[in-house]
Amino acid sequence: QKEVEQDPGPLSVPEGAIVSLNCTYSNSAFQYFMWYRQYSRKGPELLMYTYSSGNKEDGRFTAQVDKSSKYISLFIRDSQPSDSATYLCAMNDPSRDTGRRALTFGSGTRLQVQP
Amino acid sequence: SQTIHQWPATLVQPVGSPLSLECTVEGTSNPNLYWYRQAAGRGLQLLFYSVGIGQISSEVPQNLSASRPQDRQFILSSKKLLLSDSGFYLCACGSTTTEAFFGQGTRLTVV
Repeated sequence: QKEVEQDPGPLSVPEGAIVSLNCTYSNSAFQYFMWYRQYSRKGPELLMYTYSSGNKEDGRFTAQVDKSSKYISLFIRDSQPSDSATYLCAMNDPSRDTGRRALTFGSGTRLQVQP
Repeated sequence: SQTIHQWPATLVQPVGSPLSLECTVEGTSNPNLYWYRQAAGRGLQLLFYSVGIGQISSEVPQNLSASRPQDRQFILSSKKLLLSDSGFYLCACGSTTTEAFFGQGTRLTVV
């Protein structure tokens, strides 16, 4: 079983729709949770970063973490064609040794926002 | 803020040829540095990480090696490339916080 599961999509929505992207994980030691956006042939860029459970909002983006269910979500309001990209969830176990605190990634969900 | 420079952006190499990909970091000191590989439609696989000069840890046994000759320089190498080494290689940097910042990647095609 993978440590982090993410539906690969593609997810196709009309412009202006609310998008929900999700990941589940199995390692209860994960404490830090991130969402990255990756455009085609580019490196991932950090969108949202949350610690432990709760919600975090930044403009049109809201990240939710439910540690009891081992489930994280990213919501995009008023989606735009420029949001079309692959969204990767990532998480981190701070109890690991300093160097090994590399992120564990989901496989990414490809999102297409149709104009 | 941190900036990661990675080059080249695209590389086509014949099987059996050597490889050297370079990554340099600006805007931070003593960072943790990482090399990831991303296969098409798949997540990021950690290949190597380094917590300091000359300190390299390998995650996956393979045909590749890494070196860190300077604090903000990380190099991915191979003596003889295999077809299976094709992929998108990403250098990343992390420091006292746990999020990672990525370079723009190198798309390697071994032919």
